[in-house]
Amino acid sequence: AQKVTQAQTEISVVEKEDVTLDCVYETRDTTYYLFWYKQPPSGELVFLIRRNSFDEQNEISGRYSWNFQKSTSSFNFTITASQVVDSAVYFCALSEVAGGNQFYFGTGTSLTVIP
Amino acid sequence: NAGVMQNPRHLVRRRGQEARLRCSPMKGHSHVYWYRQLPEEGLKFMVYLQKENIIDESGMPKERFSAEFPKEGPSILRIQQVVRGDSAAYFCASSPRGDGNQPQHFGDGTRLSIL
Repeated sequence: AQKVTQAQTEISVVEKEDVTLDCVYETRDTTYYLFWYKQPPSGELVFLIRRNSFDEQNEISGRYSWNFQKSTSSFNFTITASQVVDSAVYFCALSEVAGGNQFYFGTGTSLTVIP
Repeated sequence: NAGVMQNPRHLVRRRGQEARLRCSPMKGHSHVYWYRQLPEEGLKFMVYLQKENIIDESGMPKERFSAEFPKEGPSILRIQQVVRGDSAAYFCASSPRGDGNQPQHFGDGTRLSIL
């Protein structure tokens, strides 16, 4: 079973629009961590954020914000006023404390920001 | 550059040859993870190693694949008798601890192409 689901395969927005990338996860652990990574066209993976299961506070970092809701097992990522440089594939990942140290990645959402 | 270093960046092999992928973790990190990313897919965990020990190899194919992380030197992912299906991007990640809480810092990946 897929532990992390990113249902949106591809999204295109026009520059300056806001966009939300969805992430739904599945775990039986009470302690777990959620992450978002960005993979630009150059291919490297860039860490964006980590959130633990006990902290449901939303977080904002510049144009980026994250909405963590345990009730719906979701950890959505919003980019405000999108820019062309935001074009990338974005991956959501889950790490379970009890389940070992591997990260479970979603299949990614490819975001294209059109100028 | 104090980040995770992977080499080579690109590797081309013919079917039946061996591929060796190298990964030097970030300074101070003793936990190394290998992931495979097939085209248009997310990252799949392969193996987790600490110095001289394989901790979790649940994601490694049973045949032809092996990994090591010696006391001295980089971690090596070795693929023997490569086949076309091995073509993928292979990412290495490192973390200072293996408790799943720490973000894994990724290298730029090795793109393996099998002719």
